[in-house]
Amino acid sequence: SQQGEEDPQALSIQEGENATMNCSYKTSINNLQWYRQNSGRGLVHLILIRSNEREKHSGRLRVTLDTSKKSSSLLITASRAADTASYFCATAGSARQLTFGSGTQLTVLP
Amino acid sequence: DTGVSQDPRHKITKRGQNVTFRCDPISEHNRLYWYRQTLGQGPEFLTYFQNEAQLEKSRLLSNRFSAERPKGSFSTLEIQRTEQGDSAMYLCASSSIGGAHNEQFFGPGTRLTVL
Repeated sequence: SQQGEEDPQALSIQEGENATMNCSYKTSINNLQWYRQNSGRGLVHLILIRSNEREKHSGRLRVTLDTSKKSSSLLITASRAADTASYFCATAGSARQLTFGSGTQLTVLP
Repeated sequence: DTGVSQDPRHKITKRGQNVTFRCDPISEHNRLYWYRQTLGQGPEFLTYFQNEAQLEKSRLLSNRFSAERPKGSFSTLEIQRTEQGDSAMYLCASSSIGGAHNEQFFGPGTRLTVL
């Protein structure tokens, strides 16, 4: 079963705008990861944030983590048409497998 | 290419047939995972190997499913007596024990369609 939910389920923005996606989860975690998936393709790892971290940056990506609220957000700044994809958060707990959310479909219009 | 590879990329089969998928992980990775993804959903964990040992299996992995990793390198996932509900993307991922907090590298997936 899915660990949690991503919000919104779908997001459509203009190129150059920022995109924010939220993820909520249910159990305690060691880390939370964000992945991107282009239509019909495999997943690409974007960024990992540990449970003792609150914010992390990587290029145009900014991730926050609030373990008290069991939530995370992914911000993509200055979006590009090539950012169009599905974005998933995944939590890693004591078990080795990742537990994924249901994803946010991002569409960036040129 | 040093990424995770999967074969075939697409498989169409009739209900009741058996299918087998192959995954070749990144060569130095000793952990290998299988996930299943249905349309509009995130991947769901099926099973996990460390070297040749199958250490965890999800309750999603019915007795019609079997996975092997005989030499601790490539892995196969077999589905016997396929059902229409087995139609999904089957994703393989690998990671290393010393890797950064279980960052997993995914293959392109095998899309199964059961008619």
